[in-house]
Amino acid sequence: DAGVTQSPTHLIKTRGQQVTLRCSPKSGHDTVSWYQQALGQGPQFIFQYYEEEERQRGNFPDRFSGHQFPNYSSELNVNALLLGDSALYLCASRRAGEANEQFFGPGTRLTVL
Amino acid sequence: AQKVTQAQTEISVVEKEDVTLDCVYETRDTTYYLFWYKQPPSGELVFLIRRNSFDEQNEISGRYSWNFQKSTSSFNFTITASQVVDSAVYFCALSDYSGGGADGLTFGKGTHLIIQP
Repeated sequence: DAGVTQSPTHLIKTRGQQVTLRCSPKSGHDTVSWYQQALGQGPQFIFQYYEEEERQRGNFPDRFSGHQFPNYSSELNVNALLLGDSALYLCASRRAGEANEQFFGPGTRLTVL
Repeated sequence: AQKVTQAQTEISVVEKEDVTLDCVYETRDTTYYLFWYKQPPSGELVFLIRRNSFDEQNEISGRYSWNFQKSTSSFNFTITASQVVDSAVYFCALSDYSGGGADGLTFGKGTHLIIQP
């Protein structure tokens, strides 16, 4: 049973560019959340998707957007990249309606130069 | 607004010592969940425990134990007889419960635990 998978593992972009990160949830999970973790900090909640809609959003600008597909996989898009967007981006999944733990993926390390 | 404070940035102990990681939280919600996660150097967050706000029973799992005190808004984590493999960054986290399950997590800044052989 595969856990949460994310791609790519690492990514290097330059300021102003756009990036798309991908996440496949754990089997049987239908809710996907994205987190940003800057170096030396705790993860910060970006948004959560369920039934292909954004259900909850953290304090992130509109440059951060997402999508969920019918197979529950998800994408995180970041436009007009800033140096401060350099971070580890974590995807987490769970089953809706259950207060179970969120299972986290290994993350994508984004570096913006 | 929710907030989680982990005042201990880094703790270093010698193997076999007991160590307690502190977590203090703030929320206006009456129903919420508290979590502890472990992040080893590989980076992947590993779930350790979930506790809901109406269950104040302490929990023990092997060498790990958790002390939830609603009166002081604390959810502390103790490792007994620490081992080198326990070295990692530990995060305490908080979430609301919206009826559809736990919402997005609010994390503390983490405590870097170093277990020296």
